Amino acid sequence: DQQVKQNSPSLSVQEGRISILNCDYTNSMFDYFLWYKKYPAEGPTFLISISSIKDKNEDGRFTVFLNKSAKHLSLHIVPSQPGDSAVYFCAASYQGGSEKLVFGKGTKLTVNP
Amino acid sequence: NAGVTQTPKFRVLKTGQSMTLLCAQDMNHEYMYWYRQDPGMGLRLIHYSVGEGTTAKGEVPDGYNVSRLKKQNFLLGLESAAPSQTSVYFCAGQRGGTDTQYFGPGTRLTVL
Repeated sequence: DQQVKQNSPSLSVQEGRISILNCDYTNSMFDYFLWYKKYPAEGPTFLISISSIKDKNEDGRFTVFLNKSAKHLSLHIVPSQPGDSAVYFCAASYQGGSEKLVFGKGTKLTVNP
Repeated sequence: NAGVTQTPKFRVLKTGQSMTLLCAQDMNHEYMYWYRQDPGMGLRLIHYSVGEGTTAKGEVPDGYNVSRLKKQNFLLGLESAAPSQTSVYFCAGQRGGTDTQYFGPGTRLTVL
């Protein structure tokens, strides 16, 4: 049973426009959420995170929004750049979870010039 | 500061052969993890360690063993490789009290 779901396997946007990647979770114990970015033939790299006590966290072009009542988070990239083309993984953890992360299956973002 | 490194980068095995994947980190991570990534499956946790000398099973532990004899190293072993273990394997490290994991570059394993 998937606890973290990324229902869109792929997303294609034009350079300069906004990219919105979505993630849903089922476990109400999750209290910390992360986004990772992965280029082909490389390991995932940490992008941005948010604690459950917040509903928004911003870092440059990247903003993560958390809606706890809907058990939904989203990653906004504005403006999108061709170098943002990668697979994005959503992950979640909770206190008492042995620090483990539960990952979604990923969304492949393609930003077209 | 090399971060998290993995050895080897690529390997081809025949069914039944054994091998060990090495993960090394110089970031003083208490926790270390082994994942496998398969197409359409995301990252699945194989085994993890919360400290030197400790290991625990993750989501997909069958067919794998691990050891953490030193804090900086986490080894993943395949005793008798099967084609179903063809995958890309990632190691990750994490400092205690934090939630961010740092990943190595991966090992691409093919079992024929």
